[in-house]
Amino acid sequence: KAGVTQTPRYLIKTRGQQVTLSCSPISGHRSVSWYQQTPGQGLQFLFEYFSETQRNKGNFPGRFSGRQFSNSRSEMNVSTLELGDSALYLCASSSTAGTPRDTEAFFGQGTRLTVV
Amino acid sequence: GNSVTQMEGPVTLSEEAFLTINCTYTATGYPSLFWYVQYPGEGLQLLLKATKADDKGSNKGFEATYRKETTSFHLEKGSVQVSDSAVYFCALSYAGGTSYGKLTFGQGTILTVHP
Repeated sequence: KAGVTQTPRYLIKTRGQQVTLSCSPISGHRSVSWYQQTPGQGLQFLFEYFSETQRNKGNFPGRFSGRQFSNSRSEMNVSTLELGDSALYLCASSSTAGTPRDTEAFFGQGTRLTVV
Repeated sequence: GNSVTQMEGPVTLSEEAFLTINCTYTATGYPSLFWYVQYPGEGLQLLLKATKADDKGSNKGFEATYRKETTSFHLEKGSVQVSDSAVYFCALSYAGGTSYGKLTFGQGTILTVHP
């Protein structure tokens, strides 16, 4: 069974540009969550999608957005990049349809974004 | 809001030493608790979990017990190996209506095990 796949693995962008990251969940998983990992702030929740609907959102500015397609693949977009957006962006998928009380989240290897 | 606090690291041990990484949480209701591990250059892997008070999660020699009275979920291993060197994250998920897909993580503890 293939794991969670994130592309690209590494990305270098210039301030002011925009970027799109992709996440393919484990087959059959319909919930996809995104996290930002930085040395200073640790792991922070960005948003969660289920069946193409955003169900939950963290405390990030509107420059951060996402979407989910009918095949459960998800993308996140960051517009007008800032130096502080440099981070490892992790995607996680799970099979739950309801609140994830006892469901494992499977993480991808992440996309390392560097903004210069 | 919900939060998780881990002991400050990094932690450096010799092989076969006993490991404890402390984790305490603040949450309303009854969260599920998790330990995740991150090896260099990789994503997070679930190490163990517990979903209710007094549950003990265990995997690969690691254990943690959900203590509601002390709001803690400390990670322990009796004899660490060099291959256990990684970053360990304590996390909670709260079974509330606005918590879909959200794990709240501690700051992570870097563990280095020397031969």
